[in-house]
Amino acid sequence: ETGVTQSPTHLIKTRGQQVTLRCSSQSGHNTVSWYQQALGQGPQFIFQYYREEENGRGNFPPRFSGLQFPNYSSELNVNALELDDSALYLCASSLQYNEQFFGPGTRLTVL
Amino acid sequence: AQSVTQLDSQVPVFEEAPVELRCNYSSSVSVYLFWYVQYPNQGLQLLLKYLSGSTLVESINGFEAEFNKSQTSFHLRKPSVHISDTAEYFCAVSDMRFGNEKLTFGTGTRLTIIP
Repeated sequence: ETGVTQSPTHLIKTRGQQVTLRCSSQSGHNTVSWYQQALGQGPQFIFQYYREEENGRGNFPPRFSGLQFPNYSSELNVNALELDDSALYLCASSLQYNEQFFGPGTRLTVL
Repeated sequence: AQSVTQLDSQVPVFEEAPVELRCNYSSSVSVYLFWYVQYPNQGLQLLLKYLSGSTLVESINGFEAEFNKSQTSFHLRKPSVHISDTAEYFCAVSDMRFGNEKLTFGTGTRLTIIP
């Protein structure tokens, strides 16, 4: 059984650019959640996708958007990058309402 | 809305000594409670959780946490720590309506084990 994987591992972008992060969910899971973990902070919930539909959103602006595909993998897109977007982005998959399994994260640096 | 407070950002402990990592939460709804561990350059791993039943929950590697509703706390304890316990520990809560998902995390406690 393959766990949650994320790509890329690291990414460097400049202010104003756009970025796409990818997540492959664990086999059998239908829900993907994204979290942002700034340096020295706990993860913050960005949004969740359940069966390809957004199913809840945290306190993040609309320039943070996402997709979930029929195979339940997911993308996180961030437009108009700002310096404060520099963080570790964590993806977690689950079978709805059940335990979340986290991926290793993508480290995004915005210069 | 919920919030989680972990008052200790860093806790140094000698090997084989006991440790307690504190967690307090605030919520207007019923919640589930979790402790996650994050090893360097890795994602989060679930350590233990309280959903219902006995207020004392245990993990397979010797940690335990007790849910105290009156004090809105869920402190994590281990009677004897090992070098391998060095990691960042996060307390989290979820609105019961969302099960184990849409977690609200604390800011974390870095546990450092001194040989």
